[in-house]
Amino acid sequence: EPEVTQTPSHQVTQMGQEVILRCVPISNHLYFYWYRQILGQKVEFLVSFYNNEISEKSEIFDDQFSVERPDGSNFTLKIRSTKLEDSAMYFCASSEVAQPQHFGDGTRLSIL
Amino acid sequence: AQSVTQPDIHITVSEGASLELRCNYSYGATPYLFWYVQSPGQGLQLLLKYFSGDTLVQGIKGFEAEFKRSQSSFNLRKPSVHWSDAAEYFCAVGAPYNTDKLIFGTGTRLQVFP
Repeated sequence: EPEVTQTPSHQVTQMGQEVILRCVPISNHLYFYWYRQILGQKVEFLVSFYNNEISEKSEIFDDQFSVERPDGSNFTLKIRSTKLEDSAMYFCASSEVAQPQHFGDGTRLSIL
Repeated sequence: AQSVTQPDIHITVSEGASLELRCNYSYGATPYLFWYVQSPGQGLQLLLKYFSGDTLVQGIKGFEAEFKRSQSSFNLRKPSVHWSDAAEYFCAVGAPYNTDKLIFGTGTRLQVFP
């Protein structure tokens, strides 16, 4: 069964550094998403992306965050200057139509 | 605004016992409803979904859920739990025609004793 693939599985970064989280969505999917889960908290929506542009973003998704689909297969989340509170599990999801969304295994981001 | 409540933070059952995980939602119309499961160190796996039609939906791994409009609920059930079902279970709500994002509940951690 096709899967959403995320790399790396764990990223450790110094505060203030830029980080790029990578995702390969399921190949025929058109809608892409990023969510995050701070340890012990609920999964929160960050951003949705369709037709090469952001379709919706949450209040969490401020100017420090950006998303890109640089080629036909990858979908990336960039955090420009990381803060301690960015430490979380970041999930990429994709869908053929808006629902249902299929999630990857996540990237655990640790900010030191 | 949409919201999802999972009243049980932690549930413990014996292997072979039946299971029901509760989920209540708040939304002005009929939402899309989902249950996801997260095993330790893993991502979110879709168990089942409800969009419309038959209010009792079947999912993978022997799970089912029932949409009850009058109670704004979408409880997850399994008649006989296996040790491998130990995981965190998340109920999620989508708002058709309004937004693509999913709103998740806080999750219920299921522990299974032999």
